[in-house]
Amino acid sequence: EAQVTQNPRYLITVTGKKLTVTCSQNMNHEYMSWYRQDPGLGLRQIYYSMNVEVTDKGDVPEGYKVSRKEKRNFPLILESPSPNQTSLYFCASSLSIGGSYEQYFGPGTRLTVT
Amino acid sequence: QQQVKQSPQSLIVQKGGISIINCAYENTAFDYFPWYQQFPGKGPALLIAIRPDVSEKKEGRFTISFNKSAKQFSLHIMDSQPGDSATYFCAASNYGQNFVFGPGTRLSVLP
Repeated sequence: EAQVTQNPRYLITVTGKKLTVTCSQNMNHEYMSWYRQDPGLGLRQIYYSMNVEVTDKGDVPEGYKVSRKEKRNFPLILESPSPNQTSLYFCASSLSIGGSYEQYFGPGTRLTVT
Repeated sequence: QQQVKQSPQSLIVQKGGISIINCAYENTAFDYFPWYQQFPGKGPALLIAIRPDVSEKKEGRFTISFNKSAKQFSLHIMDSQPGDSATYFCAASNYGQNFVFGPGTRLSVLP
């Protein structure tokens, strides 16, 4: 089954404790992206990657890191989480080639930072 | 310049009625305008999308109307059904790279 998977689905952590949220897709997609969703703000793009070893900042990159060492994986790293990073996080991927921009979203990771 | 505005924030429609959600953008570099549907506890899913070279696109009961000069686009859901009750997001992108989403519209279709 074609899908985007995220782990963990739920995470409660404390301020300053480094964490990684994994994202993997099995569709051989070129493009991957991370979003955070907050009430009343919609989805805001954190980082995106057009291909392996190519990453770019979205609209809200502060406090986050990403890497794209393999085509299928795009982990999101919070080096020193803070309470304002409490949010619902979504990973997405798309083929991107030939103007096919349809994004497939993962199930989400709900992060709480205390 | 990156902002996408969306209205209304919430919408209640009777079964069989027409639901209309409006969006406006500022950045003229955007060339892809998708609408996403999200059910509670799920990730967003693409509903329909349009490019700025056409003024309207229809897929089943869903239609996007696009006004390039006004920098506005809208989603029309004809014959709305209770199963359409969800949150809808408009978005805009430049070449499928940077995506900017609207704040969302919560649609409730009453039976």
